[in-house]
Amino acid sequence: EPEVTQTPSHQVTQMGQEVILRCVPISNHLYFYWYRQILGQKVEFLVSFYNNEISEKSEIFDDQFSVERPDGSNFTLKIRSTKLEDSAMYFCASRAREGASEQFFGPGTRLTVL
Amino acid sequence: AQSVTQLGSHVSVSEGALVLLRCNYSSSVPPYLFWYVQYPNQGLQLLLKYTTGATLVKGINGFEAEFKKSETSFHLTKPSAHMSDAAEYFCAVTTYNNNDMRFGAGTRLTVKP
Repeated sequence: EPEVTQTPSHQVTQMGQEVILRCVPISNHLYFYWYRQILGQKVEFLVSFYNNEISEKSEIFDDQFSVERPDGSNFTLKIRSTKLEDSAMYFCASRAREGASEQFFGPGTRLTVL
Repeated sequence: AQSVTQLGSHVSVSEGALVLLRCNYSSSVPPYLFWYVQYPNQGLQLLLKYTTGATLVKGINGFEAEFKKSETSFHLTKPSAHMSDAAEYFCAVTTYNNNDMRFGAGTRLTVKP
């Protein structure tokens, strides 16, 4: 069964460093998402992406964040200068097509900022 | 924008007892509603969803939920709790354009032997 994959599973970085979180959505899916979950808190929407552009973003997704689909398979989230409060689990999701209801989530990348 | 409220951050039941996890939503357009389960240090697994049609939806592991528009609710139930049901449960809402999904704060379910 096709699934969303994410790498790495755990990333440790120093405050102020740039990190790139990688996701491989399900093949042929057209819509892509990033969410984050700070430890012990709820899952929060960050950004949605379709047709090589951002469809919607939350107030969390400020200028420190960017997303990219550099090739036909990867979908990345970049944090330019990490802060301690960026420590969280980051989930990628993909959705097949317009009108499809389900977003399929990856296993997450745990980001720890020291 | 849509939102979800989950009543009760912690629910504890005995094994074999009824499980009821509450979720109320707010949406200006017809909602798509979801329940996800998260086991410790794992990702989100879809339990069930409501989009259109039958308001009582059945999911995996014996869970079901009923969409009640008049009450703006989508409560999750299971007739008989099992130890393996202990996890965090999230209710979520989106709409047809599905540009974002909003999650509730989660309910941690504990099952006592």
